[in-house]
Amino acid sequence: SQQGEEDPQALSIQEGENATMNCSYKTSINNLQWYRQNSGRGLVHLILIRSNEREKHSGRLRVTLDTSKKSSSLLITASRAADTASYFCATGGGGGNKLTFGTGTQLKVEL
Amino acid sequence: SQTIHQWPATLVQPVGSPLSLECTVEGTSNPNLYWYRQAAGRGLQLLFYSIGIDQISSEVPQNLSASRPQDRQFILSSKKLLLSDSGFYLCAWSVAGSGGNEQFFGPGTRLTVL
Repeated sequence: SQQGEEDPQALSIQEGENATMNCSYKTSINNLQWYRQNSGRGLVHLILIRSNEREKHSGRLRVTLDTSKKSSSLLITASRAADTASYFCATGGGGGNKLTFGTGTQLKVEL
Repeated sequence: SQTIHQWPATLVQPVGSPLSLECTVEGTSNPNLYWYRQAAGRGLQLLFYSIGIDQISSEVPQNLSASRPQDRQFILSSKKLLLSDSGFYLCAWSVAGSGGNEQFFGPGTRLTVL
């Protein structure tokens, strides 16, 4: 079964606005990761946050993790048209170094 | 630097035909390897993962099998394709370890079964 569930499923914003995506999961984790997928392409790793961290930044990305609520959020600031893609959260902690991916948020940034 | 290759990029096959998708990784040794399937507009479903040669775990019982004949080669196969096997197949690798390391994905193979 899916560990992560992203919310919203789809998001449409104007260029320059901020985009916030949320992820909820069910079991304990070692880390939570966010990936990006452009249409018809492979996934690209964006950022990893460990279970003992609460917030992490990378460029225009900010990720928060609340292990008590089993949730995470990804904030993209000052969005650009090139940020248009699907974004997935993935949780790590299973045996064999597996990740469990959520269902994704489709972000569209319009000019 | 490490790179991951998948081929073919697209494939159209009739129902009942065999399948072989190949994935190779360069620039690293003893990687963990993964096969995922992604249905249109959906998340990723882990099909198989491997922590070493001939060490393969199946996540979902189905019409597919996987093999790892060499350290950096991972093959996804089927003897007889079903319509439901259509989808986008992604191979990925990660540094060996536990707890869920960052995964690096190949470009994917779009499979259509007619």
